[in-house]
Parts: sequence; C-alpha cells; structure tokens
Amino acid sequence: GENVEQHPSTLSVQEGDSAVIKCTYSDSASNYFPWYKQELGKRPQLIIDIRSNVGEKKDQRIAVTLNKTAKHFSLHITETQPEDSAVYFCAASPTNSGYALNFGKGTSLLVTP
Amino acid sequence: GAVVSQHPSWVICKSGTSVKIECRSLDFQATTMFWYRQFPKQSLMLMATSNEGSKATYEQGVEKDKFLINHASLTLSTLTVTSAHPEDSSFYICSARDRGGALEDTQYFGPGTRLTVL
Repeated sequence: GENVEQHPSTLSVQEGDSAVIKCTYSDSASNYFPWYKQELGKRPQLIIDIRSNVGEKKDQRIAVTLNKTAKHFSLHITETQPEDSAVYFCAASPTNSGYALNFGKGTSLLVTP
Repeated sequence: GAVVSQHPSWVICKSGTSVKIECRSLDFQATTMFWYRQFPKQSLMLMATSNEGSKATYEQGVEKDKFLINHASLTLSTLTVTSAHPEDSSFYICSARDRGGALEDTQYFGPGTRLTVL
C-alpha cells in the first residue's frame, strides 16, 4: 500500500519567514495530493491540493510543488503569520484506492511573533 | 456547500457498551464515505471505506465485527463501536466524496467525534 513520509515533524519560524514541509510517497499510482491544516480538536481543513498532471500550484501565500519522478511534494508558506500555527498533514491518494487518503504523520508548525 | 456533519461531537461511555456515530453529508450526495481514527498527537489513520448500499472495506488491522459501518443512504453513514474499551478512546472523523462534484477525488471532512471510554 501507499506509504507517505513527512518532514519535519516540528517546525518553528519567525513571523514573516517562509515555511517548507516535505512529503514523499511510495505508490507511483497516486495522483492526488492534498494538504490539510488541523487545529487542536478540529477537523482537517483542506488548504491546497495538486494533481499529477500539474507540477506546481499557488494560492496566495501557499504553494505546492510536485515531482512525480522523485515521488515527492512540498508545501510552501510564505510571509508566515501567527495564525498559520497548526499541524499540517500531507496525503496521497492512489487511483486504485477508491480515493482513500493515506496521511503523513504531520508537521507541527509554530510561527512566533 | 459540501458540508459534512457528525453526531455526537463527543461521547463518554462505560467499558463494554456500544456507541454509534453518525456522519451526514448535508448538501450533497456522497458516493463514498471514509472513517478515520486519530489518536492524540498522531495522524489520521483510515479505518474503512464505505460505499452506499454495499459492505464497507476495512483496512488491515481494523476489526470489522468491532467497528460496524452502515451506509444505508447517499447522505448517511454510521460507525458503531461495539463493546468499547478504553483503548478505543480516540477522535473519529468521517469524510465524504461528492457524487456530483467536479473533482471526484476531493474529500470533505466532518468535525469529528471525541470518544472517551471509561
């Protein structure tokens, strides 16, 4: 089955700096890669996603890049703000999984003022 | 649009009792619903995939007789934790795919149910 590795597990940045979280996946059949932000006790919130026919996608301060050959994708947050502090999860969805998601272990991001 | 609700939001029960959790898609028809479990400070782990009108597909290591899933309509799936024990205490989250959505792989998550078994 699909195995998703996520790094780092914790990340602390100063407000205004950039944050980068990286994930790798094992199943070459995966073609959908969402990123979720989860605050304590709440549901995961989709912040951006990318599909295998695209190498990069950007939405304001958030961008995701995908390298299918290397099987890795990354989340980039620019001009970080304290409200960006949360746990971020990457996920991958193989085409033969019925669209089920395999999640990385998460990255706890802390943005200090 | 694409709202998923769960009920209850939290539940406390005694060891040995059964607990039912409901997952509803409020404004769309869900072809498929998924059940995840999340222990404190851990990631979401897929428990099972539920398709309307058919038996759920369980992930390896998840006991189908303990975690009963019913998906009787396109807007409702239920997870029943039978004979719950303290180790079943966790955050249970469902998600749903929009049958008529343009992006068939997008999942919409419910708010989760915090289960505590005493």
